[in-house]
Amino acid sequence: GQNIDQPTEMTATEGAIVQINCTYQTSGFNGLFWYQQHAGEAPTFLSYNVLDGLEEKGRFSSFLSRSKGYSYLLLKELQMKDSASYLCAVERSGNKLTFGGGTRVLVKP
Amino acid sequence: AAGVIQSPRHLIKEKRETATLKCYPIPRHDTVYWYQQGPGQDPQFLISFYEKMQSDKGSIPDRFSAQQFSDYHSELNMSSLELGDSALYFCASTPGRNTEAFFGQGTRLTVV
Repeated sequence: GQNIDQPTEMTATEGAIVQINCTYQTSGFNGLFWYQQHAGEAPTFLSYNVLDGLEEKGRFSSFLSRSKGYSYLLLKELQMKDSASYLCAVERSGNKLTFGGGTRVLVKP
Repeated sequence: AAGVIQSPRHLIKEKRETATLKCYPIPRHDTVYWYQQGPGQDPQFLISFYEKMQSDKGSIPDRFSAQQFSDYHSELNMSSLELGDSALYFCASTPGRNTEAFFGQGTRLTVV
C-alpha cells in the first residue's frame, strides 16, 4: 500500500514564501508530481521529480529526497492567484498516480 | 494545442440510473486514467488503460466499468447509480509511461 501525507491548509501573505511538505511511503516509486488545482477545475501540472534534489521553475521549486520519502513544493513571491489546492502525487510502477489529500493554500493581501 | 476532452461537462441522474462518461485524450497519448473526486477530497484513482488494454485498477466499484477504444478514447460506464457517486470525474492522458498526466476539465455527476 501507500501513504501520502501533506498539511491540510496553509495561509500566507502576498509576496511571501510558502513551503508545502509531502511525505510518502510507497512501493515501486517512480517519481513525484506536484499539481495545482483551483476549486472545481482540473489539476494542472507544476513539477515532476525523479532524482533527488531541487527542480526550479520560475516562482515554483520542488525538492525530492527518495531515501527519506520526502518532497516539498516552494512557492515564492506569492500572488493572490496562487490561492488553490496543491496536490502531491506519487507515481508508482504501472503508471498509476496516487494523490495525497492536498494542501489548501490561502494567500492574503 | 488540443487538450483532454471530456463529455458531458455536467450530468444529473437519478438513483439506480446509468451514466456514460466519455474521454478523448490528447492526440498520440496512449494512456488514459480515470479519477473520481468527491467534494473537498483528493482525486481517487479508478482505472487506467494503456494501448487499449486495462493497465491498472484502483478503487473502482463493481458497478462501474470502462474501456478504451481503437481511437484511444475511453468511456466510463456507471450503473445502479448511488447518491455517493456524485463527484467530479476526471480523465487524464499521458504520451507513454513515466510522464506527466494532462487532465481534462472533468464531468460533474450529480445523482439525485
